[in-house]
Amino acid sequence: NAGVTQTPKFQVLKTGQSMTLQCAQDMNHNSMYWYRQDPGMGLRLIYYSASEGTTDKGEVPNGYNVSRLNKREFSLRLESAAPSQTSVYFCASAEGAFAEAFFGQGTRLTVV
Amino acid sequence: AQKITQTQPGMFVQEKEAVTLDCTYDTSDPSYGLFWYKQPSSGEMIFLIYQGSYDQQNATEGRYSLNFQKARKSANLVISASQLGDSAMYFCAMREISSNTGKLIFGQGTTLQVKP
Repeated sequence: NAGVTQTPKFQVLKTGQSMTLQCAQDMNHNSMYWYRQDPGMGLRLIYYSASEGTTDKGEVPNGYNVSRLNKREFSLRLESAAPSQTSVYFCASAEGAFAEAFFGQGTRLTVV
Repeated sequence: AQKITQTQPGMFVQEKEAVTLDCTYDTSDPSYGLFWYKQPSSGEMIFLIYQGSYDQQNATEGRYSLNFQKARKSANLVISASQLGDSAMYFCAMREISSNTGKLIFGQGTTLQVKP
């Protein structure tokens, strides 16, 4: 059982480049999330999707877009990367409101 | 507005002693869930314990217990008999349930170091 799979695990981008972080879960969960983790800031919610076909902004959505491609996949896109987007990105999924979220292994992104 | 606060950036505890990690929250939703996660230095997020707002008893999972004080809006994690492997960052999180959006937010985290 793979759980939540994120790709890539590491990425270096130049300022202004674009990229998409991929996330897939095989647990048939309804809710999916994207977070960023910076030192001393905890996990901050970028976007989330309560169910297939819906997406909502989280705490820090600026500079990002998301797509809930189907129930399994939830991608995060950086259209024009900036050094301030250097961070560790986590994808997570959850069955429902009362259930814990399961996390991917994270993507370490550096923008130079 | 939905908010989670962890006011202890770092904590030390002696091995085999108990430690309490603080978490306060703010919400206008009468129905919500509270979660604690552990993040070791390897980086993965490990779920520890869950408490629902309508649960009558404090949640317990092995050496972890949640001291839930609803009126004070606090959900402190208590780790009993600390072990060296408990050294990690700990996050408190909350999901509002009535709004049905599933939005899950986290606090800033507390780094716990267990001394031998």
